[in-house]
Amino acid sequence: SQQGEEDPQALSIQEGENATMNCSYKTSINNLQWYRQNSGRGLVHLILIRSNEREKHSGRLRVTLDTSKKSSSLLITASRAADTASYFCATESMDSNYQLIWGAGTKLIIKP
Amino acid sequence: DVKVTQSSRYLVKRTGEKVFLECVQDMDHENMFWYRQDPGLGLRLIYFSYDVKMKEKGDIPEGYSVSREKKERFSLILESASTNQTSMYLCASSQAGTGLYEQYFGPGTRLTVT
Repeated sequence: SQQGEEDPQALSIQEGENATMNCSYKTSINNLQWYRQNSGRGLVHLILIRSNEREKHSGRLRVTLDTSKKSSSLLITASRAADTASYFCATESMDSNYQLIWGAGTKLIIKP
Repeated sequence: DVKVTQSSRYLVKRTGEKVFLECVQDMDHENMFWYRQDPGLGLRLIYFSYDVKMKEKGDIPEGYSVSREKKERFSLILESASTNQTSMYLCASSQAGTGLYEQYFGPGTRLTVT
């Protein structure tokens, strides 16, 4: 069952601009994670935000979580060519029993 | 660094063949997972294991089985491969605990069934 839905499906921006991706989900969650996938490094964990947190930072990444709207956003500031990848949100719902539920991803292209 | 390795990057099999995909992790993780990834559908969980010899069905277990005889190794078996099982297969591992820990992924096996 697909819980997270990323928006937009694809995003193309100029290098140096900020990129924002959104994730919406359906059920109450314990936490939400963002992952990045590119051909060189496979699928890599970026950041985890718990349901009682509203915002988290990691380097050029900023994640927000609004549990009332059941949504999260990932902001990448000062984008670089190396940020070109697909970005996925994954949620652990309160009744998930070990499982993460994944969205279909946002494909981000950074133009030089 | 956590390392998750998968036995093959690319695999081509014929319909009806038995296919084994192996995954090995070197971080003593309790949890291991098998996903398949198809365009537009994200990752879908096939099976996961939270301990040796323990397994739980994910969202799409039909046509698949798994084996975990050792903590570091988790195998996915396609008993009789079919063309609709052509996909990218990803293995992952994580520490024990309900989702509080990140999952570490292998590079994936792109399986084509002809």
